[in-house]
Amino acid sequence: EAGVTQFPSHSVIEKGQTVTLRCDPISGHDNLYWYRRVMGKEIKFLLHFVKESKQDESGMPNNRFLAERTGGTYSTLKVQPAELEDSGVYFCASSPKGQSSGNTIYFGEGSWLTVV
Amino acid sequence: AQSVSQHNHHVILSEAASLELGCNYSYGGTVNLFWYVQYPGQHLQLLLKYFSGDPLVKGIKGFEAEFIKSKFSFNLRKPSVQWSDTAEYFCAVRGAWGTDKLIFGTGTRLQVFP
Repeated sequence: EAGVTQFPSHSVIEKGQTVTLRCDPISGHDNLYWYRRVMGKEIKFLLHFVKESKQDESGMPNNRFLAERTGGTYSTLKVQPAELEDSGVYFCASSPKGQSSGNTIYFGEGSWLTVV
Repeated sequence: AQSVSQHNHHVILSEAASLELGCNYSYGGTVNLFWYVQYPGQHLQLLLKYFSGDPLVKGIKGFEAEFIKSKFSFNLRKPSVQWSDTAEYFCAVRGAWGTDKLIFGTGTRLQVFP
Protein backbone atom coordinates (compact mmCIF):
# COMPACT_ATOMS: atom_id res chain seq x y z
CA GLU A 1 0.00 0.00 0.00
CA ALA A 2 1.41 3.39 -0.97
CA GLY A 3 1.91 5.85 1.85
CA VAL A 4 1.30 9.57 1.95
CA THR A 5 3.30 11.16 -0.83
CA GLN A 6 4.34 14.77 -1.11
CA PHE A 7 5.78 16.82 -3.95
CA PRO A 8 8.17 18.52 -4.27
CA SER A 9 10.51 17.12 -1.66
CA HIS A 10 12.61 20.28 -1.73
CA SER A 11 11.93 23.73 -3.09
CA VAL A 12 14.01 26.92 -3.04
CA ILE A 13 12.22 30.09 -4.08
CA GLU A 14 12.77 33.80 -3.80
CA LYS A 15 10.81 36.01 -1.49
CA GLY A 16 7.66 37.15 -3.24
CA GLN A 17 7.34 34.12 -5.46
CA THR A 18 4.61 31.50 -5.31
CA VAL A 19 5.00 27.86 -4.36
CA THR A 20 2.45 25.07 -4.52
CA LEU A 21 2.93 21.93 -2.49
CA ARG A 22 1.02 18.78 -3.29
CA CYS A 23 -0.06 15.91 -1.09
CA ASP A 24 -1.51 12.58 -2.11
CA PRO A 25 -3.01 10.84 0.92
CA ILE A 26 -3.32 7.12 1.37
CA SER A 27 -6.07 5.88 -0.94
CA GLY A 28 -9.45 5.91 0.74
CA HIS A 29 -8.44 8.20 3.59
CA ASP A 30 -11.03 10.92 4.08
CA ASN A 31 -9.01 12.89 6.62
CA LEU A 32 -6.11 14.95 5.33
CA TYR A 33 -3.95 17.25 7.44
CA TRP A 34 -1.25 19.81 6.82
CA TYR A 35 1.42 20.53 9.42
CA ARG A 36 4.51 22.72 9.34
CA ARG A 37 7.80 22.68 11.17
CA VAL A 38 9.84 25.85 11.20
CA MET A 39 13.54 25.24 11.93
CA GLY A 40 14.15 24.19 15.51
CA LYS A 41 10.55 24.49 16.57
CA GLU A 42 7.66 22.12 17.06
CA ILE A 43 5.54 20.64 14.31
CA LYS A 44 2.44 22.81 14.14
CA PHE A 45 -1.00 22.00 12.83
CA LEU A 46 -2.18 24.07 9.86
CA LEU A 47 -5.49 22.56 8.78
CA HIS A 48 -7.66 19.49 8.45
CA PHE A 49 -9.82 18.36 5.53
CA VAL A 50 -12.57 15.82 5.71
CA LYS A 51 -12.96 14.83 2.10
CA GLU A 52 -13.11 18.18 0.28
CA SER A 53 -14.36 20.21 3.24
CA LYS A 54 -12.15 22.21 5.59
CA GLN A 55 -12.91 20.84 9.04
CA ASP A 56 -10.44 23.01 10.93
CA GLU A 57 -8.18 25.70 9.51
CA SER A 58 -7.31 27.35 12.79
CA GLY A 59 -3.59 26.84 12.27
CA MET A 60 -3.24 28.64 8.96
CA PRO A 61 -0.79 31.49 9.58
CA ASN A 62 -2.36 34.14 7.34
CA ASN A 63 -4.14 34.70 4.04
CA ARG A 64 -0.99 34.09 2.03
CA PHE A 65 -1.66 30.40 2.56
CA LEU A 66 -4.38 28.66 0.56
CA ALA A 67 -5.19 24.97 0.84
CA GLU A 68 -7.51 23.08 -1.46
CA ARG A 69 -8.70 19.54 -1.82
CA THR A 70 -10.92 19.46 -4.85
CA GLY A 71 -12.69 16.14 -5.28
CA GLY A 72 -11.59 14.96 -1.88
CA THR A 73 -8.44 13.23 -3.14
CA TYR A 74 -5.13 15.05 -3.34
CA SER A 75 -4.56 18.41 -1.71
CA THR A 76 -2.48 21.45 -2.57
CA LEU A 77 -1.06 24.11 -0.29
CA LYS A 78 -0.16 27.35 -2.03
CA VAL A 79 1.94 30.08 -0.49
CA GLN A 80 1.60 33.40 -2.30
CA PRO A 81 3.63 35.55 -1.96
CA ALA A 82 6.23 33.61 0.01
CA GLU A 83 8.08 35.32 2.85
CA LEU A 84 11.34 34.36 4.55
CA GLU A 85 9.53 33.13 7.66
CA ASP A 86 7.60 30.59 5.58
CA SER A 87 10.74 28.46 5.30
CA GLY A 88 10.37 25.08 6.92
CA VAL A 89 9.15 21.56 6.38
CA TYR A 90 5.53 21.10 5.39
CA PHE A 91 4.11 17.73 6.38
CA CYS A 92 0.97 16.18 5.03
CA ALA A 93 -0.83 13.40 6.86
CA SER A 94 -3.94 11.31 6.40
CA SER A 95 -6.17 8.99 8.37
CA PRO A 96 -9.16 6.79 7.56
CA LYS A 97 -12.74 7.98 7.40
CA GLY A 98 -14.91 8.81 10.32
CA GLN A 99 -14.10 10.05 13.78
CA SER A 100 -10.39 10.06 13.95
CA SER A 101 -10.24 9.15 17.61
CA GLY A 102 -8.67 5.73 17.61
CA ASN A 103 -7.25 6.16 14.14
CA THR A 104 -3.57 6.40 13.46
CA ILE A 105 -2.47 9.42 11.46
CA TYR A 106 0.07 8.58 8.73
CA PHE A 107 2.59 11.21 7.69
CA GLY A 108 4.40 11.90 4.45
CA GLU A 109 8.11 12.67 4.20
CA GLY A 110 7.54 16.38 4.10
CA SER A 111 8.24 19.14 1.61
CA TRP A 112 11.24 21.27 2.51
CA LEU A 113 10.66 24.90 1.57
CA THR A 114 13.43 27.47 1.62
CA VAL A 115 12.57 31.08 0.87
CA VAL A 116 15.61 33.26 0.08
CA ALA B 1 -3.39 26.73 25.43
CA GLN B 2 -2.48 23.08 25.13
CA SER B 3 1.24 22.37 24.84
CA VAL B 4 3.74 19.53 24.88
CA SER B 5 7.20 19.80 26.40
CA GLN B 6 10.12 17.60 25.50
CA HIS B 7 12.90 18.33 27.93
CA ASN B 8 15.78 16.82 26.04
CA HIS B 9 16.61 18.52 22.76
CA HIS B 10 19.67 16.48 21.89
CA VAL B 11 20.72 13.19 23.44
CA ILE B 12 23.95 11.36 22.67
CA LEU B 13 24.37 7.76 23.77
CA SER B 14 26.59 4.78 23.15
CA GLU B 15 25.10 1.55 21.90
CA ALA B 16 23.58 -0.61 24.66
CA ALA B 17 22.92 2.40 26.89
CA SER B 18 19.44 2.87 28.27
CA LEU B 19 17.22 5.65 26.97
CA GLU B 20 14.51 7.75 28.55
CA LEU B 21 13.04 10.76 26.76
CA GLY B 22 10.78 13.02 28.74
CA CYS B 23 7.41 14.30 27.56
CA ASN B 24 4.93 16.40 29.51
CA TYR B 25 1.69 17.87 28.28
CA SER B 26 -0.67 20.49 29.54
CA TYR B 27 -4.31 19.53 29.19
CA GLY B 28 -6.63 18.38 31.93
CA GLY B 29 -9.06 16.33 29.88
CA THR B 30 -8.93 12.95 28.21
CA VAL B 31 -6.00 12.64 25.87
CA ASN B 32 -4.52 10.32 23.29
CA LEU B 33 -0.73 10.27 23.43
CA PHE B 34 1.75 9.41 20.70
CA TRP B 35 5.43 9.06 20.05
CA TYR B 36 6.54 9.48 16.46
CA VAL B 37 10.03 8.90 15.09
CA GLN B 38 11.69 10.35 12.01
CA TYR B 39 14.74 8.50 10.76
CA PRO B 40 17.11 10.47 8.52
CA GLY B 41 15.52 11.01 5.12
CA GLN B 42 12.31 9.26 6.02
CA HIS B 43 8.76 10.17 6.98
CA LEU B 44 7.37 10.44 10.46
CA GLN B 45 6.44 6.98 11.71
CA LEU B 46 4.27 6.05 14.65
CA LEU B 47 6.35 4.43 17.37
CA LEU B 48 3.57 3.82 19.87
CA LYS B 49 0.32 5.29 21.13
CA TYR B 50 -1.83 5.39 24.24
CA PHE B 51 -5.58 5.75 24.12
CA SER B 52 -6.80 3.97 27.27
CA GLY B 53 -6.19 0.92 29.44
CA ASP B 54 -2.77 -0.25 30.57
CA PRO B 55 -0.65 2.88 31.03
CA LEU B 56 2.48 1.01 30.02
CA VAL B 57 2.46 0.86 26.25
CA LYS B 58 4.78 -1.20 24.13
CA GLY B 59 5.68 -0.09 20.64
CA ILE B 60 7.84 -1.16 17.77
CA LYS B 61 11.58 -1.82 17.92
CA GLY B 62 11.63 -2.45 21.67
CA PHE B 63 10.35 0.98 22.70
CA GLU B 64 7.83 1.51 25.47
CA ALA B 65 6.21 4.48 27.15
CA GLU B 66 4.41 4.99 30.42
CA PHE B 67 1.44 7.28 30.85
CA ILE B 68 1.38 8.84 34.31
CA LYS B 69 -1.81 10.85 34.52
CA SER B 70 -0.95 12.57 37.79
CA LYS B 71 2.26 13.89 36.29
CA PHE B 72 0.84 14.65 32.83
CA SER B 73 3.75 12.66 31.47
CA PHE B 74 4.35 10.11 28.72
CA ASN B 75 8.05 9.28 28.80
CA LEU B 76 9.62 7.06 26.17
CA ARG B 77 12.05 4.33 27.18
CA LYS B 78 14.26 1.70 25.65
CA PRO B 79 16.53 -0.52 27.78
CA SER B 80 19.33 -0.84 25.23
CA VAL B 81 19.67 1.46 22.22
CA GLN B 82 21.21 0.58 18.89
CA TRP B 83 23.00 2.68 16.31
CA SER B 84 19.89 2.33 14.11
CA ASP B 85 17.84 4.22 16.71
CA THR B 86 19.56 7.43 15.65
CA ALA B 87 16.63 9.65 14.70
CA GLU B 88 14.43 12.49 15.88
CA TYR B 89 11.64 11.62 18.31
CA PHE B 90 8.42 13.58 18.69
CA CYS B 91 5.86 13.37 21.44
CA ALA B 92 2.32 14.42 20.50
CA VAL B 93 -1.05 14.71 22.17
CA ARG B 94 -4.58 14.75 20.80
CA GLY B 95 -7.36 15.78 23.11
CA ALA B 96 -11.09 16.12 23.25
CA TRP B 97 -10.84 19.76 22.21
CA GLY B 98 -13.21 19.41 19.30
CA THR B 99 -10.74 18.74 16.50
CA ASP B 100 -8.40 15.98 15.45
CA LYS B 101 -5.26 18.06 15.49
CA LEU B 102 -2.13 16.78 17.13
CA ILE B 103 -0.08 19.05 19.37
CA PHE B 104 3.61 18.19 19.05
CA GLY B 105 6.62 18.78 21.21
CA THR B 106 9.78 20.34 19.75
CA GLY B 107 11.40 16.95 19.19
CA THR B 108 14.47 15.22 20.61
CA ARG B 109 17.39 14.39 18.38
CA LEU B 110 19.00 11.12 19.43
CA GLN B 111 22.46 10.16 18.27
CA VAL B 112 23.73 6.68 19.08
CA PHE B 113 27.39 5.91 18.56
CA PRO B 114 28.71 2.37 18.05
